Amino acid sequence: ETGVTQSPTHLIKTRGQQVTLRCSSQSGHNTVSWYQQALGQGPQFIFQYYREEENGRGNFPPRFSGLQFPNYSSELNVNALELDDSALYLCASSAGQGSGYGYTFGSGTRLTVV
Amino acid sequence: KQEVTQIPAALSVPEGENLVLNCSFTDSAIYNLQWFRQDPGKGLTSLLLIQSSQREQTSGRLNASLDKSSGRSTLYIAASQPGDSATYLCAVRPMEYGNKLVFGAGTILRVKS
Repeated sequence: ETGVTQSPTHLIKTRGQQVTLRCSSQSGHNTVSWYQQALGQGPQFIFQYYREEENGRGNFPPRFSGLQFPNYSSELNVNALELDDSALYLCASSAGQGSGYGYTFGSGTRLTVV
Repeated sequence: KQEVTQIPAALSVPEGENLVLNCSFTDSAIYNLQWFRQDPGKGLTSLLLIQSSQREQTSGRLNASLDKSSGRSTLYIAASQPGDSATYLCAVRPMEYGNKLVFGAGTILRVKS
């Protein structure tokens, strides 16, 4: 059973650019969530995808967008990058929407905006 | 709005000590609570998941308890080892908005050999 895999592991972008981060969910998991973790803080919920549709969104502007594909993998896109977007971006997958399910996290993508 | 607080923010103990990490949350209407471990610059590793109907969960040297009515959870680590050094995060899954986890800021644990 493979876990959650994210790519790339590290990324450096210039302010104003666009970036795409990728996530492959754990085998058998149909729900994918994205989180942003700034240094020294807990992760903050960005949004969740279930069956290729956005199924919940945190307090992030529209320049944060995402996709989920039929194989349940997902992308996080960020447009017009700002310096404050520098963070660890974590993807998490779950086996379903029910309240009993926990989440499995990937190793994250470290994004640095200069 | 659900808020999660973890105390202490940092902890340094000698090897072999038993220790307790604390997590409190403001709204008791949760589906479950999950404890995670995070090594520096890495992702999250799930340690224990406690459903709202449960009081505790155990895995090896780890034991987590949940008192939903008082909004508290504790993570007990027995016979700590240097390899336990990491940041420990607790997260609740609120009923009001069940699609997300709300995290505390974490407790940074250092176990000295």
